[in-house]
Amino acid sequence: ELKVEQNPLFLSMQEGKNYTIYCNYSTTSDRLYWYRQDPGKSLESLFVLLSNGAVKQEGRLMASLDTKARLSTLHITAAVHDLSATYFCAVARTGNQFYFGTGTSLTVIP
Amino acid sequence: GAVVSQHPSRVICKSGTSVKIECRSLDFQATTMFWYRQFPKQSLMLMATSNEGSKATYEQGVEKDKFLINHASLTLSTLTVTSAHPEDSSFYICSASRQAGGSAEQFFGPGTRLTVL
Repeated sequence: ELKVEQNPLFLSMQEGKNYTIYCNYSTTSDRLYWYRQDPGKSLESLFVLLSNGAVKQEGRLMASLDTKARLSTLHITAAVHDLSATYFCAVARTGNQFYFGTGTSLTVIP
Repeated sequence: GAVVSQHPSRVICKSGTSVKIECRSLDFQATTMFWYRQFPKQSLMLMATSNEGSKATYEQGVEKDKFLINHASLTLSTLTVTSAHPEDSSFYICSASRQAGGSAEQFFGPGTRLTVL
């Protein structure tokens, strides 16, 4: 069974600070996705990482993938309040089923 | 492009009744659709994978007789929660992908919040 774990589960950070969310998964996969979810809403796609060593950046968020370590990171630079949300990583399995991480609830404090 | 809709967005029903949720791909043909459920402050759990014209594949622990999935066309999949009970109250999210298997991205619907009284 594929397990996907994120840490931390909860993150409270001040505006302007940097932090990293980690996503570990238990079996081989070559595709990893990051999503954002606002309260009561569905998922917003942030990044698709398709190969070992992939790094993608959009605004204050940067995601990377290390398939050998089965680890992805989502780095937040100079956080702002608008980034407050829950962030999920998802690992794709053969057959294109997605398995989601436990989620990280981020609160950015002014 | 790649828009997925769900209907209804919210539904409240009495215990013992059945509820149907529709998932539509509006601007593309979805060979495969997926159904997830999400309890408050928890992650999304994959319930089943649905390929057009064939029976859905359910994840372990998901009752196929309780959660009936039909994928009758390349743009529509339905999830029917039969004899719903309060513990079935959840946020149900569907997703659709353009191709079966492979590395196709999934596009997520806006979700349906089900409350069973």
